[in-house]
Amino acid sequence: GQQLNQSPQSMFIQEGEDVSMNCTSSSIFNTWLWYKQDPGEGPVLLIALYKAGELTSNGRLTAQFGITRKDSFLNISASIPSDVGIYFCAQGAQKLVFGQGTRLTINP
Amino acid sequence: GAGVSQSPSNKVTEKGKDVELRCDPISGHTALYWYRQSLGQGLEFLIYFQGNSAPDKSGLPSDRFSAERTGGSVSTLTIQRTQQEDSAVYLCASSPTITYEQYFGPGTRLTVT
Repeated sequence: GQQLNQSPQSMFIQEGEDVSMNCTSSSIFNTWLWYKQDPGEGPVLLIALYKAGELTSNGRLTAQFGITRKDSFLNISASIPSDVGIYFCAQGAQKLVFGQGTRLTINP
Repeated sequence: GAGVSQSPSNKVTEKGKDVELRCDPISGHTALYWYRQSLGQGLEFLIYFQGNSAPDKSGLPSDRFSAERTGGSVSTLTIQRTQQEDSAVYLCASSPTITYEQYFGPGTRLTVT
C-alpha cells in the first residue's frame, strides 16, 4: 500500500529559527496536505496542495507540491513557541494516509 | 462555527467489554471519517461515510469494529469485546462533499485494561 516517509522525526531548534521538513511518497496522488497536532487535540489542517509545483503560503508557513508529485516540503519561518507540536503530511482523497510525523520542540 | 465534537474525551474499559464512541460532524459536512492514532501505528484510516452511499469499511481492523451514521449526521463507532491492542486515540473528521480537506475532532482516548 501507499507509504509516506516524513523527515526528520524530531527537531530541536531555537526560537526564531527557520524550520524545514519533508515527505516522500511511494505513489503519485493529486493532493498533499499538511496538518499540525497539539497534545490532546486532533490534527488541524495547515495547508492543502492540489497541483504539482504548487507553492502555497499560510502566514509564516510555506509548503510546496513537488513536481514529481511524490514529495512535498513544509517550511516555517521565524519559529515561535506556539509552533511546538507534531506536524504530519498526508495524501489521499477520502482515505488519508499520514506520514509518521515530525515533532518540533523549540527552546526559548 | 462549531467544529467536530467527540464524546467521551476519555474512556477506560475492561478487556472484553463493548464501547461506543460518538462523533458530531461540522454542520453541513456530508462526509465523515474515523481514524485511529496509536504509538506503534501512527494515524490509520478506519471507515468513511459519504452522504447516503454505503460506507467504505476497508480500514476496519477486525469484525469487532463497526460504525453507523444516523440521519447523515452523528456517527457512532462501536468496538465489541475490546482487547488491549484497541487502546488508542480514535479521531473523527468531516469534510464538505467535494474537497479533500478533512477537519478533525479532538479525539476519544480509549484505554483497555
